[in-house]
Amino acid sequence: GDSVTQMEGPVTLSEEAFLTINCTYTATGYPSLFWYVQYPGEGLQLLLKATKADDKGSNKGFEATYRKETTSFHLEKGSVQVSDSAVYFCALSDRSGNTPLVFGKGTRLSVIA
Amino acid sequence: GAVVSQHPSRVICKSGTSVKIECRSLDFQATTMFWYRQFPKQSLMLMATSNEGSKATYEQGVEKDKFLINHASLTLSTLTVTSAHPEDSSFYICSARATSPDNYGYTFGSGTRLTVV
Repeated sequence: GDSVTQMEGPVTLSEEAFLTINCTYTATGYPSLFWYVQYPGEGLQLLLKATKADDKGSNKGFEATYRKETTSFHLEKGSVQVSDSAVYFCALSDRSGNTPLVFGKGTRLSVIA
Repeated sequence: GAVVSQHPSRVICKSGTSVKIECRSLDFQATTMFWYRQFPKQSLMLMATSNEGSKATYEQGVEKDKFLINHASLTLSTLTVTSAHPEDSSFYICSARATSPDNYGYTFGSGTRLTVV
């Protein structure tokens, strides 16, 4: 079945450091890819998404590019802030959207001042 | 944008009682809703898929008689934890998908922290 593998945390960075969280996937067909963020005690918020190869999703300074050749969707941010501290989940869905999201295990990010 | 409202955000109940959690799509219709459970510092575990007007589809290992799901309308799904026990304490999150998924959008509720004492 479909699966998502993302780097395990926790990741601790200093403010203004560069962030990369790796995510690779296994899927039949051409899935849609997502990054969700979860702040402490809250639900998940969509951070960005990409629906086809070479698409770049971006939001709040975060970016991820759908790489079909490497089956990857790595999350990057050039300069993190303390407020970015959260858990980040990579996820995929099939093109029909009729099935639930398949999540990675999540990566906890802590940004220190 | 699409908003999903989940209530209550926190609930404490006694062992043996039942607790109902509501998940509402506020500005769109959702034919399909998903219920997840999240243990501390872990990923989301899909419990069941709720389809409007039909029975929910439960994941392997999830007791359907314990976790009752009702999706009576296009904007409301409920999860009832029956005869709750301390091991049911967890964070429960719902997710809804619009009937027009042109953007393959999944929207999540803010979660319910259930504590059974």
